[in-house]
Amino acid sequence: RKEVEQDPGPFNVPEGATVAFNCTYSNSASQSFFWYRQDCRKEPKLLMSVYSSGNEDGRFTAQLNRASQYISLLIRDSKLSDSATYLCVVNFPGSGNTGKLIFGQGTTLQVKP
Amino acid sequence: EPEVTQTPSHQVTQMGQEVILRCVPISNHLYFYWYRQILGQKVEFLVSFYNNEISEKSEIFDDQFSVERPDGSNFTLKIRSTKLEDSAMYFCASSDGIQGTKHFGDGTRLSIL
Repeated sequence: RKEVEQDPGPFNVPEGATVAFNCTYSNSASQSFFWYRQDCRKEPKLLMSVYSSGNEDGRFTAQLNRASQYISLLIRDSKLSDSATYLCVVNFPGSGNTGKLIFGQGTTLQVKP
Repeated sequence: EPEVTQTPSHQVTQMGQEVILRCVPISNHLYFYWYRQILGQKVEFLVSFYNNEISEKSEIFDDQFSVERPDGSNFTLKIRSTKLEDSAMYFCASSDGIQGTKHFGDGTRLSIL
């Protein structure tokens, strides 16, 4: 099983649509969870952290299910500027909790006018 | 807003040559990381560095790789004898704590000929 697994997409949606991305992770000892955004050939940028209680930041909602080792991201009212690759990222404690991040392969979103 | 800076933005090197990638982390950060991303693939952890020593390294980070913090500001990644498969984007990241937000530099594109 991959450490962090995502559907690569691409997801092609019209402006204004609601789109959901899912992610699973293999290490049940993982402690921190994130969604990053990566534009073409650019660095990953933190979109939001993900908490067990679920959290929302404007049009973005993230959920974590520790029992199922499952993370989700919901984007409402999608904009053209949301077009990017969304990376599911997990902190793996490993042999000594060094803050190492494990990245999923990313899900590509293309929002069309 | 403080940021992580990386130089050069693009490095072209002949196979077998040594290359040094440079990073200036955010000034009050204590944890430093290198990641790489081969074109079309996911971001992969290479190494973490804290208190002037490597705290964790991946299988990718073999004897050809080394890291150094030669002064109070720079953090370097050296590849001793480059191979074609070292061609990738290399991202430096830093954080103020293990669980702190990882701030990524905008990367160095390394092309091995």
